[in-house]
Amino acid sequence: NAGVTQTPKFQVLKTGQSMTLQCAQDMNHNSMYWYRQDPGMGLRLIYYSASEGTTDKGEVPNGYNVSRLNKREFSLRLESAAPSQTSVYFCATALRGDQETQYFGPGTRLLVL
Amino acid sequence: GEDVEQSLFLSVREGDSSVINCTYTDSSSTYLYWYKQEPGAGLQLLTYIFSNMDMKQDQRLTVLLNKKDKHLSLRIADTQTGDSAIYFCAREDSWGKLQFGAGTQVVVTP
Repeated sequence: NAGVTQTPKFQVLKTGQSMTLQCAQDMNHNSMYWYRQDPGMGLRLIYYSASEGTTDKGEVPNGYNVSRLNKREFSLRLESAAPSQTSVYFCATALRGDQETQYFGPGTRLLVL
Repeated sequence: GEDVEQSLFLSVREGDSSVINCTYTDSSSTYLYWYKQEPGAGLQLLTYIFSNMDMKQDQRLTVLLNKKDKHLSLRIADTQTGDSAIYFCAREDSWGKLQFGAGTQVVVTP
């Protein structure tokens, strides 16, 4: 039972390159989330998916796209990376019961040069 | 975000109690959470409190909620070096999404 896994753990990109961050969960949770974490700013929601087949924008969606491939997987794509997207990206999942306990992956550290 | 505010840093001696404070602006919060982040890791849920409660205790952790002042605190009794981490306060909005504070870096000194 791996919980929430993210790949890759580290990535360096040049400005304009594209990449996809992968997230998978084996917790049978309905909701999945992508956050970015920047110093002094906490976590900001990029996109989320309340259930398989649905996605919605969060607080900072510009420059990103997502795909909820199935119940287990939720990917985040940067089509044309910019230095402002240098950050630590976290995927999270939640069961969506009475309260929103979210379970986080270990994060992907992205540097855009 | 600016809807949830925390002090950025707290230094505490091993064995003392730590108190981490959080304020929020939206009174429609349903649940409020405390998460812990150790270096190089994701966030781990420590505890949560429903908005109609004013206190919750869980072993060394005590959460106090002052709904009138929109103030949440986390007290860690007998703080240990393993408690050194960043602690995030979060509120759940009416859509079920979490809004996080910027995090409080807690450093425990011997």
